[in-house]
Amino acid sequence: GAVVSQHPSRVICKSGTSVKIECRSLDFQATTMFWYRQFPKQSLMLMATSNEGSKATYEQGVEKDKFLINHASLTLSTLTVTSAHPEDSSFYICSASSPRGVTEAFFGQGTRLTVV
Amino acid sequence: GQNIDQPTEMTATEGAIVQINCTYQTSGFNGLFWYQQHAGEAPTFLSYNVLDGLEEKGRFSSFLSRSKGYSYLLLKELQMKDSASYLCAVSPSGSARQLTFGSGTQLTVLP
Repeated sequence: GAVVSQHPSRVICKSGTSVKIECRSLDFQATTMFWYRQFPKQSLMLMATSNEGSKATYEQGVEKDKFLINHASLTLSTLTVTSAHPEDSSFYICSASSPRGVTEAFFGQGTRLTVV
Repeated sequence: GQNIDQPTEMTATEGAIVQINCTYQTSGFNGLFWYQQHAGEAPTFLSYNVLDGLEEKGRFSSFLSRSKGYSYLLLKELQMKDSASYLCAVSPSGSARQLTFGSGTQLTVLP
């Protein structure tokens, strides 16, 4: 199946700093990628839809100035958590729109962000 | 709006069969997915239903009734490694795999 690689898998940062998370589609071109957030014992919540070459679409309640998304190429989308605070500590997962003829979305490995 | 309901927790015995139910009310429907997620890991795809009926894939089967807004995931011959969270997710119409997830069902398989 198609592979989506997410990096880093774990990151600890100090409050007030910024963190960048990368999501790459390794063997297919992804015009659309999705960013989800998951708090402990909760389900995945869609944060934003990342479109190659255009602005991301954010879900209601997600601050676009805090969670910067860049999708500059067909194989890479990045999520930058700016001025991180402890309440931003969460599990962030990306997924890529599946290639033609393939049904399921493909998920990255996830990034565990801890803000101290 | 979107509303997807599934039980929070279930427990079953190794070798048994377990059925995890999911009901949904969404503004648009383009298929229902089941994913398995182990703690701290990304979800892995199990099944996809877009038409009514049963889809069987090895030890896992998934059923869909669009008129009832209902699906279930059936796991047979349970193994200890099946202990995980099972996520029901709906793809709304016209969206390229943008998924709305249920809260997940934590399944514990006991020896």
